[in-house]
Amino acid sequence: DAGVIQSPRHEVTEMGQEVTLRCKPISGHDYLFWYRQTMMRGLELLIYFNNNVPIDDSGMPEDRFSAKMPNASFSTLKIQPSEPRDSAVYFCASTTRGDRETQYFGPGTRLLVL
Amino acid sequence: AQSVTQPDIHITVSEGASLELRCNYSYGATPYLFWYVQSPGQGLQLLLKYFSGDTLVQGIKGFEAEFKRSQSSFNLRKPSVHWSDAAEYFCAVGAFTGGGNKLTFGTGTQLKVEL
Repeated sequence: DAGVIQSPRHEVTEMGQEVTLRCKPISGHDYLFWYRQTMMRGLELLIYFNNNVPIDDSGMPEDRFSAKMPNASFSTLKIQPSEPRDSAVYFCASTTRGDRETQYFGPGTRLLVL
Repeated sequence: AQSVTQPDIHITVSEGASLELRCNYSYGATPYLFWYVQSPGQGLQLLLKYFSGDTLVQGIKGFEAEFKRSQSSFNLRKPSVHWSDAAEYFCAVGAFTGGGNKLTFGTGTQLKVEL
């Protein structure tokens, strides 16, 4: 069974450009989480969805960040415009209602904004 | 608000030696506690979790952790470390708000294993 899939695995962009990160959760999972990992702030929860609906976006840093989940098998995290301080590893995780405690993480997208 | 402290940023142990990684948490109610491991370039993998009941929990890869409410601790242990255990380890506390498990992570402990 495929795990959480994230693309791209690496992204290098220039300041001011739009960046879109993608996530495909494990089939049948109805919770999806976006995290950011930096040296300064560690692992932070940005937003999570349940049944494609955003439930808590209190961790989204600012209006430049937006996340969508148009269907149960796909989510995006968009940064527009990007800034050097957005450089981080972005993880997507998913889980199911019957096992809410266990989150299954994707391999992450390493973003570098120049 | 919940928080997690991992006081050791780096730990080095010899292969075959025992290991203990420290974790202290702050949470108003009965905590949901987790240990995750992250290998280089990989996502996080759940090692074990604690919700209630027996305070000594067993996980994968031979790891165990003990919940001590009086000390607000949830330390991770392994009797004999293998070179493949070299990785970064994260302790986390969870809060089920809005239905989902919102995890708050510690800053991590980087484990190096000397052969």
